[in-house]
Amino acid sequence: DADVTQTPRNRITKTGKRIMLECSQTKGHDRMYWYRQDPGLGLRLIYYSFDVKDINKGEISDGYSVSRQAQAKFSLSLESAIPNQTALYFCATSDPASAGTEAFFGQGTRLTVV
Amino acid sequence: GENVEQHPSTLSVQEGDSAVIKCTYSDSASNYFPWYKQELGKGPQLIIDIRSNVGEKKDQRIAVTLNKTAKHFSLHITETQPEDSAVYFCAARIYGQNFVFGPGTRLSVLP
Repeated sequence: DADVTQTPRNRITKTGKRIMLECSQTKGHDRMYWYRQDPGLGLRLIYYSFDVKDINKGEISDGYSVSRQAQAKFSLSLESAIPNQTALYFCATSDPASAGTEAFFGQGTRLTVV
Repeated sequence: GENVEQHPSTLSVQEGDSAVIKCTYSDSASNYFPWYKQELGKGPQLIIDIRSNVGEKKDQRIAVTLNKTAKHFSLHITETQPEDSAVYFCAARIYGQNFVFGPGTRLSVLP
C-alpha cells in the first residue's frame, strides 16, 4: 500500500459543483500539503498543515479550502469549481523532526472542470 | 520570498549520453536542495538531495552539485537509459519553511 493515498485518482466535474479531494497517509508525519501542478509551472502550494489544529494558506489558496480531520487525513475542497482549476493535484507529507527532509507525494488526482 | 528557476524546460539526449539540468535560487538562506523525478501517472519521488554544507553528492549514475556563491545547483545523469525519461523537479528550502519548486524539465532519452 502507498504511504500517501489520494482519492479519487481522476475526476470530471461541472462548473459550479463542490468537490472534495481526499488524502491519507501512513507515514506518521505531522506536516501535510496540497499542491497543484500545471504544465510549465511546476508544483504550487495551495494549503499546508503542520498539525491537526493548524491550517495555513499557500501561494494559490483562493477558491480552495482544506480540512485536517486527523493527523493522517487532509482534504482539499473546491467550493464552486471553475474550469481554470483543471489541473493535477498532489498531496504530500514531511517530517519536521529532521531539518530539510524530503517530501513524500501521493500519486495525484487529475481534476477536470467542464 | 524564494524563487527557483530551472533550465532547460525540455531536454532530449541519446541513450548513453549525459544529461544536465540546472536550477538557480534567489534566497541565500536556502539550505536544502532536493531533486524529484516524476514518471507518467505518478507523484514526484526524491532521487537525490544536497545540503548547503556540501558541494557535491553522488549516487550511482546521478550526481548533484551546489554552488552557493552563484546560488545554483545542478543534476547530472550519466549513461542515460530509457527509464530515465521523466519530468525532473528541483526545489529549495529554508529550514522550517516550505519547499519552493522549479517548473520542471521533461527529459527524453532516445534509444
